[in-house]
Amino acid sequence: EAQVTQNPRYLITVTGKKLTVTCSQNMNHEYMSWYRQDPGLGLRQIYYSMNVEVTDKGDVPEGYKVSRKEKRNFPLILESPSPNQTSLYFCASSLFSGWDEQFFGPGTRLTVL
Amino acid sequence: QKEVEQDPGPLSVPEGAIVSLNCTYSNSAFQYFMWYRQYSRKGPELLMYTYSSGNKEDGRFTAQVDKSSKYISLFIRDSQPSDSATYLCAMSAGSGGGADGLTFGKGTHLIIQP
Repeated sequence: EAQVTQNPRYLITVTGKKLTVTCSQNMNHEYMSWYRQDPGLGLRQIYYSMNVEVTDKGDVPEGYKVSRKEKRNFPLILESPSPNQTSLYFCASSLFSGWDEQFFGPGTRLTVL
Repeated sequence: QKEVEQDPGPLSVPEGAIVSLNCTYSNSAFQYFMWYRQYSRKGPELLMYTYSSGNKEDGRFTAQVDKSSKYISLFIRDSQPSDSATYLCAMSAGSGGGADGLTFGKGTHLIIQP
């Protein structure tokens, strides 16, 4: 089944404790991205990657890191999480570009205390 | 400018009604327009995809784009309780060699009453 998977689905952590949210797709997509979704603010892009070893900032990159060492994986790293990073995070992938159909993962709900 | 305006609702209508969802935008460079549907506790899924101006129909769903007015619409005919979800408009200028991402509206929460 073609899909985007994320882990963990739910995470509660404390300020400053490094964490990684994994994202994997099995559709051989080149473009992958991370979004956060907040009430009243909608979906906002954090980082994107157009291919292996090619990543760039989206609209709200502060406090986040990403890497793309393999085509299928695109982890999101919070090296020192803060409470303002409490949010619902979605990984998405598409065939080639940012305006192709985006396939979203199921979401990761992160709470930073 | 990347702002997209969308009424958050909630919008509550009886089953069988015609639903109209709308977004306005300010960036005249946008040329790819999408509607995503998001059920509670799920990721968004693409519902309709339109390039430039015009109409597109798929079953009970019709997407309209009016670039001159910077206004897009999604119509749902014969609405069903299973259509209850949050509907997100999204758009892109389609530039930057593939890098240009989507700008999303905040989403409209739709409730279809049985």
